[in-house]
Parts: sequence; structure tokens; C-alpha cells
Amino acid sequence: GENVEQHPSTLSVQEGDSAVIKCTYSDSASNYFPWYKQELGKRPQLIIDIRSNVGEKKDQRIAVTLNKTAKHFSLHITETQPEDSAVYFCAGNFNKFYFGSGTKLNVKP
Amino acid sequence: DAGVTQSPTHLIKTRGQQVTLRCSPKSGHDTVSWYQQALGQGPQFIFQYYEEEERQRGNFPDRFSGHQFPNYSSELNVNALLLGDSALYLCASSFGDGETQYFGPGTRLLVL
Repeated sequence: GENVEQHPSTLSVQEGDSAVIKCTYSDSASNYFPWYKQELGKRPQLIIDIRSNVGEKKDQRIAVTLNKTAKHFSLHITETQPEDSAVYFCAGNFNKFYFGSGTKLNVKP
Repeated sequence: DAGVTQSPTHLIKTRGQQVTLRCSPKSGHDTVSWYQQALGQGPQFIFQYYEEEERQRGNFPDRFSGHQFPNYSSELNVNALLLGDSALYLCASSFGDGETQYFGPGTRLLVL
């Protein structure tokens, strides 16, 4: 099946700094790439998504970039806050949804 | 506007038993997808139901089966439970093409 690789697996930043999480995928084509945030013991929550007809999308402190040629997409969080601490998952719809293995983000006050 | 709901929240079974998990989609949604999330991993796609039929299926054995009802709610059935089936089972609902998905709180299954 499709493989979505996500890096890094853990990320620790100081409050106010930026955080970047990257995902790559292999051969299949997807036109839709969502990002989910999952706090401990809670459901994954959709935080932002991007479709293949755009290269970048921004929503307040969160942005996603997509490079279809290179087959990678990234999540950017600026001015991080302690409440951003969670596990973040990227995903792609390759006729079926495939998720990355997750990035545990720790924002230190 | 009710979000996605799942029942039960927790379940303990023994090997070889069968289990049924339930999901009610978000109001206005007609598509339900099921995922298995092992501890420390990302969700893995089991299957998706639309118009009461299985539309897509992931790499799960036939022990995993499902159903969608006319009101769009769905069930996930797992037969002959194995220890490795212990996980958080998530359902996600969407409308039509199934791309923008919203997850339920999950059912945590423990197989002893």
C-alpha cells in the first residue's frame, strides 16, 4: 500500500518558536492532504487541509505547503503555545486514506 | 449539531470472542470510515461505507466486517479476536466523496 513517512517523530520547541513537520509519500497520486491534531486520550481533530490545486494554505498560526512534484507536504506552526502540545498526523487520500506515524510536539513554556 | 459518536467507549474481550462497535455520523454526513489505531501509531484504514455498501477496504482480514444502516450509522464487527486486535477503533464521518473527515472519540478495545 501507499507509504506516508512523517518526520520528526518527536519535536520539542520553546514557546514562541516555530515548528515544522514534514511528510513524504511514494508513488500514488493524492489530491487531498489533511493534518490532524490528537491530544492524549482524545480524538484526532482536523486542523488544516490542502488540495493539490494549491501550493500553500494558511489559517492563523498554522500553514501547510505542498510540493506535488517532490511528493512532500509540511505543516508549519508559528508562535507556538503550550496548548499546541499534542501528536500531529499527516494523511493523504490515495483512493484510501493513509496516515503518517505521527509527530509528538512538546512546546515548553 | 451533534458530532460523531461511538459506543461503547471501552470494551474488554478475550481471545476468540466477537465484538461489535457502533458509530453515528455527524449530522448531514452519509459516509463512515473505520480506522484502527494501535498505541503510538497513526490510524490505519479498515474500510469505508457509503450508501450501505463497502466502498473501499484496507489491508485487514475478513474477520473485520461492517455494516451501514439506512440512517447512515455503522457497525464494525470483529470475529475471532486476537491479542493484536487491542487498539483504539475510530470512526470518521464525511459527506459524499469522503475526503473531509471528522473523527469520533473512539472505542478502546482490550483483548486478553
